[in-house]
Amino acid sequence: DIQMTQSPSSLSASVGDRVTITCRASQFISNFLNWYQQKPGKAPKLLIYAASGLQSGVPSRFSGSGSGTDFTLTISSLQPDDFASYYCQQSYTNPQVLTFGGGTKVEI
Amino acid sequence: QLQLQESGPGLVKPSETLSLTCTVSGDFIISTNYYWGWIRQPPGKGLEWIGSIYYSGNTYYSPSLKSRVTVSVDTSETEFSLMLSSVTAADTAVYYCARLRSGSFDLWGRGTLVIVSS
Repeated sequence: DIQMTQSPSSLSASVGDRVTITCRASQFISNFLNWYQQKPGKAPKLLIYAASGLQSGVPSRFSGSGSGTDFTLTISSLQPDDFASYYCQQSYTNPQVLTFGGGTKVEI
Repeated sequence: QLQLQESGPGLVKPSETLSLTCTVSGDFIISTNYYWGWIRQPPGKGLEWIGSIYYSGNTYYSPSLKSRVTVSVDTSETEFSLMLSSVTAADTAVYYCARLRSGSFDLWGRGTLVIVSS
């Protein structure tokens, strides 16, 4: 099975900071990588699909990059609404098996 | 506007079967070309994919849960369900249903907390 490893597991940042979260797959997954944002008590929200596609309605300060095994989610200028947890998810083996990363919590 | 809503008991006894339903409003499951899935999140932990189903009934399950999970589509074509047997405290979690489009979960229910306790 494909394992997804996110780093860091948590980070502290300030409003206006550029934030980068990484996700590594245990094997090649091409660009089959999605990113989600989750706020406390809420369902996750799709931010990025297919490694770099911006989901409709998501602010342009969010961007995704990468291919193969290494991927990055970048928030260009952190806003107060962005303090949340972020998860990556591989869909290379869709629909047979889907796997989430362990998550990254972005805190003040 | 398409919406998903989970429903079911919030408390299940150990060794019993957890049963949840996801109601899809705004469209029929059979009329769409999507998979539908279940994801769970234990308190304070990360997301775990449980399983997915196509409107035709094709199902796929997490290898770690496969022996205990059944996902099905209701004949009403507006609901799909999750059954998880032989539950333990480790199955306590918020359970989400979601629409799976091209490998990404683009629409989610609000989630429902299920506690396993005697």
